[in-house]
Amino acid sequence: GQQVMQIPQYQHVQEGEDFTTYCNSSTTLSNIQWYKQRPGGHPVFLIQLVKSGEVKKQKRLTFQFGEAKKNSSLHITATQTTDVGTYFCAGSARNGSARQLTFGSGTQLTVLP
Amino acid sequence: NAGVTQTPKFRVLKTGQSMTLLCAQDMNHEYMYWYRQDPGMGLRLIHYSVGEGTTAKGEVPDGYNVSRLKKQNFLLGLESAAPSQTSVYFCASSYRLGRGGYEQYFGPGTRLTVT
Repeated sequence: GQQVMQIPQYQHVQEGEDFTTYCNSSTTLSNIQWYKQRPGGHPVFLIQLVKSGEVKKQKRLTFQFGEAKKNSSLHITATQTTDVGTYFCAGSARNGSARQLTFGSGTQLTVLP
Repeated sequence: NAGVTQTPKFRVLKTGQSMTLLCAQDMNHEYMYWYRQDPGMGLRLIHYSVGEGTTAKGEVPDGYNVSRLKKQNFLLGLESAAPSQTSVYFCASSYRLGRGGYEQYFGPGTRLTVT
């Protein structure tokens, strides 16, 4: 079945440093979504990417979808303590149901003040 | 709107006991999901439903059953709990975004421990 790998599993950064998490799928995706889960909380939707090579920005967050639609990345510029949490990518397989998402294992971000 | 709610928030079971987790959403979403979250493994889909009266298996369905008798409710049952089912369970519902994707709204989770 479809697998979505995410690296790194953990990342510690000093406040103000940049952070990147990478997501790779074993199959071509129709779209990819990113979610953030604060410690003790539940996942919250951040964004969806659909087009090959698409880049979207939300303030200090930059999301990219690969040309082959099999990988994606999330980059945070100048991290703040409010960025702490686990970031998950989740994809829908191109030949599967758009209603089902396969989640990556997540990257847990710690921001040291 | 309350969004997605789950009851209970915490539960401790003994091996072999049964229980039902309740998920409710007030957003009129067609699709609902049950996930389990274990350390280092992300979210894994247990069962899902694409509408009232319909259910389907996800990635890890064994040991669980579900029912969707009403559009707003999705129940997850554990018939005979095992320690391997110790986990945090999240319910989610979704609607269709533009351009084909489905944004999922998650409930606050149920932390289940099986001893």
